[in-house]
Amino acid sequence: GAVVSQHPSWVICKSGTSVKIECRSLDFQATTMFWYRQFPKQSLMLMATSNEGSKATYEQGVEKDKFLINHASLTLSTLTVTSAHPEDSSFYICSPEGLAGIEQFFGPGTRLTVL
Amino acid sequence: KQEVTQIPAALSVPEGENLVLNCSFTDSAIYNLQWFRQDPGKGLTSLLLIQSSQREQTSGRLNASLDKSSGRSTLYIAASQPGDSATYLCAVREGSGNTGKLIFGQGTTLQVKP
Repeated sequence: GAVVSQHPSWVICKSGTSVKIECRSLDFQATTMFWYRQFPKQSLMLMATSNEGSKATYEQGVEKDKFLINHASLTLSTLTVTSAHPEDSSFYICSPEGLAGIEQFFGPGTRLTVL
Repeated sequence: KQEVTQIPAALSVPEGENLVLNCSFTDSAIYNLQWFRQDPGKGLTSLLLIQSSQREQTSGRLNASLDKSSGRSTLYIAASQPGDSATYLCAVREGSGNTGKLIFGQGTTLQVKP
């Protein structure tokens, strides 16, 4: 299956700071990357879809100016949480778009805790 | 709007039991359905993928079925082991191609007791 890495695996930051999360597709080129968020004891919710070389598409209710997504290459997409607040504390997971008929794979996730 | 529901929310069984996890979805117009496993604090591991034209898929002790017309899927785990303890998520892919969104259920947290 596809190998996807995320960095960092966990981060603790102060309220008001910005945090960048990297997602790398290690063994294939991902033109599209999905970013999900998972709150404790809840399921995954799609936040945005990033496309290599173009602007990301955000789901309803997700602030695009707060969650900056950059997909500059076929193997790297980044999510920056700007001016983080405690309510942004969550588990962020990326997933590259799979090939047709192939299962979707996910990164190991990044646990963000905002104090 | 597609909604995915998983029942039960939590399940505790003794080792060796066979068990069934249920997943239902409201819109039958799906491209495929995928079952995942998530260990605490970890990402998702894909278990089985069922295309909309398929009825079931098997991998080892796992068997997943799909009844698209009734909006249901089941994940059958045979001879459960303590290592099977995890949260199991089902997700349906909307639309007619691989670019559709994955909509997740809330998950079933399974505990298998030695």
